[in-house]
Amino acid sequence: ETGVTQSPTHLIKTRGQQVTLRCSSQSGHNTVSWYQQALGQGPQFIFQYYREEENGRGNFPPRFSGLQFPNYSSELNVNALELDDSALYLCASSPGQGAASFGPGTRLLVL
Amino acid sequence: KNQVEQSPQSLIILEGKNCTLQCNYTVSPFSNLRWYKQDTGRGPVSLTIMTFSENTKSNGRYTATLDADTKQSSLHITASQLSDSASYICVVSANNNNDMRFGAGTRLTVKP
Repeated sequence: ETGVTQSPTHLIKTRGQQVTLRCSSQSGHNTVSWYQQALGQGPQFIFQYYREEENGRGNFPPRFSGLQFPNYSSELNVNALELDDSALYLCASSPGQGAASFGPGTRLLVL
Repeated sequence: KNQVEQSPQSLIILEGKNCTLQCNYTVSPFSNLRWYKQDTGRGPVSLTIMTFSENTKSNGRYTATLDADTKQSSLHITASQLSDSASYICVVSANNNNDMRFGAGTRLTVKP
């Protein structure tokens, strides 16, 4: 167990819907990063939050947005879901420059 | 082009045997290299982390090596167990923490 938790563990949505995924970071970690991992692929960086501010973004459209709260927990929001958004969404927390600890992921299926 | 390439893509070995996974990278400037183990449908779990000055790092039956000159790393697993069946992902970070580049992983299957 890494101390990073994610919810829900899995969910099913339909095209066009919106989804919110949640992540609680490991104690003492002020940086949260989100990744999308398609089946059989390595994780792709979505964005990172450091002390409630976005601190870098990967090649994902604006319908992927996020938040970080004062307790360093975080949300990933995806609007106007597309079939290709089906993936495992991973949250990783880290103490700034330190090694990242990953959560168990949320499996999203878009029908 | 992915800046972190892993080989082989998949590997099948018998229980008790050793194996070595490879990772080549072009990420620059280099900060650190990590190996993660990921069970299917689960989050990656850190095995080792190495900085520029470290050549080898062990974690039980897992030993990682790093050659920063040739930009190559390997993960050696000794006396494999059935529970070693997983994907092994190489992650290379540049100097800023949000620039973590992931390899596609090596899918290891250990058979009895």
